[in-house]
Amino acid sequence: NAGVMQNPRHLVRRRGQEARLRCSPMKGHSHVYWYRQLPEEGLKFMVYLQKENIIDESGMPKERFSAEFPKEGPSILRIQQVVRGDSAAYFCASSSDRGPYEQYFGPGTRLTVT
Amino acid sequence: GEDVEQSLFLSVREGDSSVINCTYTDSSSTYLYWYKQEPGAGLQLLTYIFSNMDMKQDQRLTVLLNKKDKHLSLRIADTQTGDSAIYFCAESPGTYKYIFGTGTRLKVLA
Repeated sequence: NAGVMQNPRHLVRRRGQEARLRCSPMKGHSHVYWYRQLPEEGLKFMVYLQKENIIDESGMPKERFSAEFPKEGPSILRIQQVVRGDSAAYFCASSSDRGPYEQYFGPGTRLTVT
Repeated sequence: GEDVEQSLFLSVREGDSSVINCTYTDSSSTYLYWYKQEPGAGLQLLTYIFSNMDMKQDQRLTVLLNKKDKHLSLRIADTQTGDSAIYFCAESPGTYKYIFGTGTRLKVLA
């Protein structure tokens, strides 16, 4: 049973480019969460999605960031016109319909903006 | 506001016990979690405790919760070099929004 998959594992973008981060939840999980980890800090909640719905995006910056979880395919976190401050590790987690009490995390995507 | 605090570093000798501490501020926290992060990897859920429990034991891991002081600890018995990692405490008021601490970097000396 594969865990949460994220790709790419490492992503380098120049300032002003777009970054697309993908997350495939665990089999049987329909809830996806994105977190950001800045260097030497804990993870911060960004957004919670279910299939085709954004449930809570209160932790996501209002501009340049967007997320989706289509009916088919992985969840995508998209960052437009990246800036150096976007450099971080982005983690995706998923949980089952039983509840959010057990969130299982992917290996993360480490974004570096040069 | 919501805040979770942990000390940044802990160093122990192989075979000793490690105790990693965490304090939180949200009194409505329902679940409290411990995650382990190895270098370059994601977070591995180690264990969690429901707020109406005082203690939970799982093999070498013991979680203690002092709800009055909002203090959570993780004890690792017989610490091994493979236990070297960053350990994150997280709280949740029963919703999906986990509040994470900054992590404690555990170094196990051979």
